[in-house]
Amino acid sequence: NAGVTQTPKFQVLKTGQSMTLQCAQDMNHEYMSWYRQDPGMGLRLIHYSVGAGITDQGEVPNGYNVSRSTTEDFPLRLLSAAPSQTSVYFCASSYSQRGGSEQFFGPGTRLTVL
Amino acid sequence: AQSVTQPDIHITVSEGASLELRCNYSYGATPYLFWYVQSPGQGLQLLLKYFSGDTLVQGIKGFEAEFKRSQSSFNLRKPSVHWSDAAEYFCAVGASGTYKYIFGTGTRLKVLA
Repeated sequence: NAGVTQTPKFQVLKTGQSMTLQCAQDMNHEYMSWYRQDPGMGLRLIHYSVGAGITDQGEVPNGYNVSRSTTEDFPLRLLSAAPSQTSVYFCASSYSQRGGSEQFFGPGTRLTVL
Repeated sequence: AQSVTQPDIHITVSEGASLELRCNYSYGATPYLFWYVQSPGQGLQLLLKYFSGDTLVQGIKGFEAEFKRSQSSFNLRKPSVHWSDAAEYFCAVGASGTYKYIFGTGTRLKVLA
């Protein structure tokens, strides 16, 4: 049982490049989400999904796209990277969308945009 | 609006000393409350959670937290800190039936040998 996995662990992009951050979970969780972590700002929700084929925006969605074709995978796409997207990105999953459910986090992807 | 405040950005304690990390929340109803720990270079791990019932909850690694409705607080405590407790600690609040799960800005704990 690997839990929540994320790839890559580190990534450096140039402004304007695109890339996809991968996230997968093997716990059959319906709810998955992406956060970004910036110094002094805690974790902020980017996008989330309550099941395959269903996604919605969080607090800071601009510049990011997501899709959920399977229960297991929830990739995050940066279409045209900007320096403001330099951050640490965490994927999380939980068995329910209810606010009381424990979220399980991946190890994170550290992204630098030059 | 829902919010979580962790007033201490950094805390330094000596190994063996007691610890209390503060968390205040703003929410209209009884919230779901969590404490997570993040070790350097790692993801977040759940320490403990409060949903209802006994206001003193026990978690992993010897941590406990007390829910005080009158003070809108959910402070994390440990009677004797170990060097391995050095990490960043996040308080979070969840709202029933919604995706809303708000994190505080975190408190970084340093432990002196």
